[in-house]
Amino acid sequence: AQSVTQLGSHVSVSEGALVLLRCNYSSSVPPYLFWYVQYPNQGLQLLLKYTSAATLVKGINGFEAEFKKSETSFHLTKPSAHMSDAAEYFCAVSRFSGGYNKLIFGAGTRLAVHP
Amino acid sequence: SAVISQKPSRDICQRGTSLTIQCQVDSQVTMMFWYRQQPGQSLTLIATANQGSEATYESGFVIDKFPISRPNLTFSTLTVSNMSPEDSSIYLCSVGGGTSGSQNTGELFFGEGSRLTVL
Repeated sequence: AQSVTQLGSHVSVSEGALVLLRCNYSSSVPPYLFWYVQYPNQGLQLLLKYTSAATLVKGINGFEAEFKKSETSFHLTKPSAHMSDAAEYFCAVSRFSGGYNKLIFGAGTRLAVHP
Repeated sequence: SAVISQKPSRDICQRGTSLTIQCQVDSQVTMMFWYRQQPGQSLTLIATANQGSEATYESGFVIDKFPISRPNLTFSTLTVSNMSPEDSSIYLCSVGGGTSGSQNTGELFFGEGSRLTVL
């Protein structure tokens, strides 16, 4: 069954530092993978997605992620953190069930950005 | 993308009561998905609502506790019945939107959520 594991429930970086949020997936078929961001008291917003095209995926707000099949990973990165990046980040994998794809979410990683 | 509106945005409820959450989408969609996010937790799929048929519930969720209506292609409701403090959560409505070729990818667009606190 498809699943994702996010390593690190909390990550803290300094403003301007590299952001790296880790996600490993488990899937018996080529997966569709997603990163979502949730700001306080808001719903989820799609950052980027991998749907079997280019393995390096660029998203909004300067984020990108690389699909590595050999490592079953889809880590999220940003070269330089901004204070506004402080939020909860969720990795998700699609699971085909009942005739359509559903999203299965990881536990989430809370990113804190310090001045 | 789709614009999704949920009502109420938040509410405080008494134990034993029921509350209905409304979800309105600005375009016609086939599938709507209801998720629960318990405090400090990730999202868990409650059920999938397809217009014109009964909702499909995930393991651990039952229709008596979470009845869902889907009267048309732009609207759905989720009722949380006989609430207890353990039902305090954010309830999120979502709709699908992504395709790869002819296949739906599972990509979802979310509403802002309905934050319920049960006393």
